[in-house]
Amino acid sequence: AQKITQTQPGMFVQEKEAVTLDCTYDTSDPSYGLFWYKQPSSGEMIFLIYQGSYDQQNATEGRYSLNFQKARKSANLVISASQLGDSAMYFCAMGGSTLGRLYFGRGTQLTVWP
Amino acid sequence: GAGVSQSPSNKVTEKGKDVELRCDPISGHTALYWYRQSLGQGLEFLIYFQGNSAPDKSGLPSDRFSAERTGGSVSTLTIQRTQQEDSAVYLCASSVGQGLNIQYFGAGTRLSVL
Repeated sequence: AQKITQTQPGMFVQEKEAVTLDCTYDTSDPSYGLFWYKQPSSGEMIFLIYQGSYDQQNATEGRYSLNFQKARKSANLVISASQLGDSAMYFCAMGGSTLGRLYFGRGTQLTVWP
Repeated sequence: GAGVSQSPSNKVTEKGKDVELRCDPISGHTALYWYRQSLGQGLEFLIYFQGNSAPDKSGLPSDRFSAERTGGSVSTLTIQRTQQEDSAVYLCASSVGQGLNIQYFGAGTRLSVL
């Protein structure tokens, strides 16, 4: 069975600071991927970053990086130099090579304060 | 179009009525997904299409829910005899294929059943 867990319902960070959003997963699929999406209050789901299970290096996309620890089954999102516009709900999701669907966590509400 | 397009953006209906939600995926994307997001909740998978066939419809909550896809493009999600618990945002996503491909989401249809 596939499972994604986000244990932080809410996180607060001051502008320009870094923040880490936690995500752990469980899967029996040997080939899988972890995705992070951002959902602002407007509601759209915005893709941020992807990490494949066989990727040797941690993924980075601008201010976003993924701290992938395969042995611990964790895929934490790190946002550097937080901006007010980063305030949103963040979802971790997992897909498998044999799956169509994504499995989503319950999300973490990030609030960036000035 | 450039992105996934969903219509209508908002739908208010009376309990017991049928509704149709439409999704127009990104051109060239063969995989299409429907998810549901209830207020303050994560995403619940409904159904996924590869081309015109639906290899996984395991998330459809009841036989009142059905979906089809024609011409490998537009998909329609139909909810018959709507109930108040059907109120949610219905999100459509598409990707270039199944498996470990990025799913790009539309803005969603907010369904309110009175």
